[in-house]
Amino acid sequence: GAVVSQHPSRVICKSGTSVKIECRSLDFQATTMFWYRQFPKKSLMLMATSNEGSKATYEQGVEKDKFLINHASLTLSTLTVTSAHPEDSSFYICSARASGTETQYFGPGTRLLVL
Amino acid sequence: SQKIEQNSEALNIQEGKTATLTCNYTNYSPAYLQWYRQDPGRGPVFLLLIRENEKEKRKERLKVTFDTTLKQSLFHITASQPADSATYLCALETGGTSYGKLTFGQGTILTVHP
Repeated sequence: GAVVSQHPSRVICKSGTSVKIECRSLDFQATTMFWYRQFPKKSLMLMATSNEGSKATYEQGVEKDKFLINHASLTLSTLTVTSAHPEDSSFYICSARASGTETQYFGPGTRLLVL
Repeated sequence: SQKIEQNSEALNIQEGKTATLTCNYTNYSPAYLQWYRQDPGRGPVFLLLIRENEKEKRKERLKVTFDTTLKQSLFHITASQPADSATYLCALETGGTSYGKLTFGQGTILTVHP
């Protein structure tokens, strides 16, 4: 199957700093990437949809100024958590989907801990 | 309101038996229903996708059924092994303007005992 990577896998930062998470599709071109958040013992919640070359669309309740998404190429999307606070601590997972296909492939996730 | 429910939070079975997991939904008209496996601290891994006009899909020891009248999908693992122990997630995609957007159930933690 297709491979999606995320970097970093784990990050610890101080409150008020910004953190960038990268999502890459390694062996296919992803016209659409998705960002999810998962809290402990909870399911994945979609945060935003990222289309290459255009602005991301955010789900209701997700602050677009806090979670900046850039999808500059067909293999890379980035999520920047700006001015992170402890309540932003979570497991962030991206997925990627090639145009015309139905299957989404997920990255391994990034564990963010804000102190 | 829209809801996706996986029938049990946890399922324990003996090795060699068939595990059956249930996913029920209300107030959705899914174009696709997908099943994923998630191990602790990892992202979901795609297992099977079934379309709204399909009744059943198989892949090795896995089988998925989809009943749009009952609004239910069943996920079966035959000849289960301890290595099958994980959380299994169902996810719906409604298509159209929600192209690609997946809504997940809360997951069922499957434990297969030797």
